[in-house]
Amino acid sequence: ETGVTQSPTHLIKTRGQQVTLRCSSQSGHNTVSWYQQALGQGPQFIFQYYREEENGRGNFPPRFSGLQFPNYSSELNVNALELDDSALYLCASSSWTAKETQYFGPGTRLLVL
Amino acid sequence: AQSVTQPDIHITVSEGASLELRCNYSYGATPYLFWYVQSPGQGLQLLLKYFSGDTLVQGIKGFEAEFKRSQSSFNLRKPSVHWSDAAEYFCAVVRNTGTASKLTFGTGTRLQVTL
Repeated sequence: ETGVTQSPTHLIKTRGQQVTLRCSSQSGHNTVSWYQQALGQGPQFIFQYYREEENGRGNFPPRFSGLQFPNYSSELNVNALELDDSALYLCASSSWTAKETQYFGPGTRLLVL
Repeated sequence: AQSVTQPDIHITVSEGASLELRCNYSYGATPYLFWYVQSPGQGLQLLLKYFSGDTLVQGIKGFEAEFKRSQSSFNLRKPSVHWSDAAEYFCAVVRNTGTASKLTFGTGTRLQVTL
């Protein structure tokens, strides 16, 4: 069984740029959630995708957007990067019927300069 | 509003000693509760979860947790800590908002193990 994978592992961008992070869900899972973890904090929910649609969102501005593909993989896009966007971005997958139980990938560490 | 509190930011225990990490939650209904562990630079690994039923739940790596509704607590325990248990531990509660399931995390407890 393949776990959740994310790419890239690390990324450095400058303020104002755009970034795309990628996630492949665990086999058998069809729901993907994204979280942002700032240094020294617990993860914060960004949004959740199911059937290629966003079905829930946390307190993040519209410049945070996502996609889910037919194979259940997902992308997180962030436009107009700000310094405060520097964080570990975590993807979690689950099955829709048990979406409360979420399994996390290793994360992408984003540094905005 | 739903929240999770982990009162201890940092705990140090000796290898072989017992461990208890505290977690308190604020939630109106019966909560779904989780403990995750995060090693440095890594993602989160699910240790155990509580949805209903027996209030003492067993997890991986020898961890267990006890749900106490009267105290709004879900403390994590391990009888004998190993050096490899050094990591950050997060307690979380699920909130179902509409059709989405959102995990709300505490701020974490960093565990240091001395030899």
